[in-house]
Amino acid sequence: EVQVVESGGGLVQPGGSLRLSCEVSGFIFHGYDMHWVRQAPGKGLVWVSRIDRDGIGANYADSVNGRFTVSRDNAKNTLYLQMNSLRAEDTAVYYCVGDRGSPGDFWGQGTLVTVSS
Amino acid sequence: DVVMTQSPLSLSVTLGQPASISCRSSQSLLHSNGKTYLNWFQQRPGQSPRRLIYELSHRESGVPDRFSGSGSGTDFALKISRVEAEDVGVYYCMQSTHWPPYTFGQGTKLEIK
Repeated sequence: EVQVVESGGGLVQPGGSLRLSCEVSGFIFHGYDMHWVRQAPGKGLVWVSRIDRDGIGANYADSVNGRFTVSRDNAKNTLYLQMNSLRAEDTAVYYCVGDRGSPGDFWGQGTLVTVSS
Repeated sequence: DVVMTQSPLSLSVTLGQPASISCRSSQSLLHSNGKTYLNWFQQRPGQSPRRLIYELSHRESGVPDRFSGSGSGTDFALKISRVEAEDVGVYYCMQSTHWPPYTFGQGTKLEIK
């Protein structure tokens, strides 16, 4: 059974940092590119970042480029998102998403990040 | 960046009746490899999204065959042949031909009349 569990969300002040994790099981993690997609409260889906299956290539949305860093540990079946210099507009539920050809093979349950003073 | 535009943004449908959602892209989604990387997602209330359709018209395993994807170039559609109560939610199109960035439509909210 495929299991995808995000963690690390919470309340942080503007300018602060958080590290999200996404642990997966039940499938071959290193066979998938991985994405982070976020959804602000009551809003639509927005792509944030992608990392290739080897962890070598990464891409970012302009809105987070230079502040967020995506990484993965294939030995631990875990995806990460290091978020620095957080802003109020980063407040959202963050989902990790698998991609073996197109994004969306699986989604986690999401973890809520709230940036507020 | 490719802009994805959905219509309508809200849809109210009687149970058992058909429904259709349109999605238009600001440039052709036909990849040089001949595939069209247009995906459809469903997000039921309080749940994570799930993919219904990938590469234009390929239905995910477990997705009822009343859902179908079609289109070409810049014009696409998700059709539900007979709406059921469990279909309530928000539907998103997303392109993965020209990336980064991957881009979603605004979402279409489906409710039962």
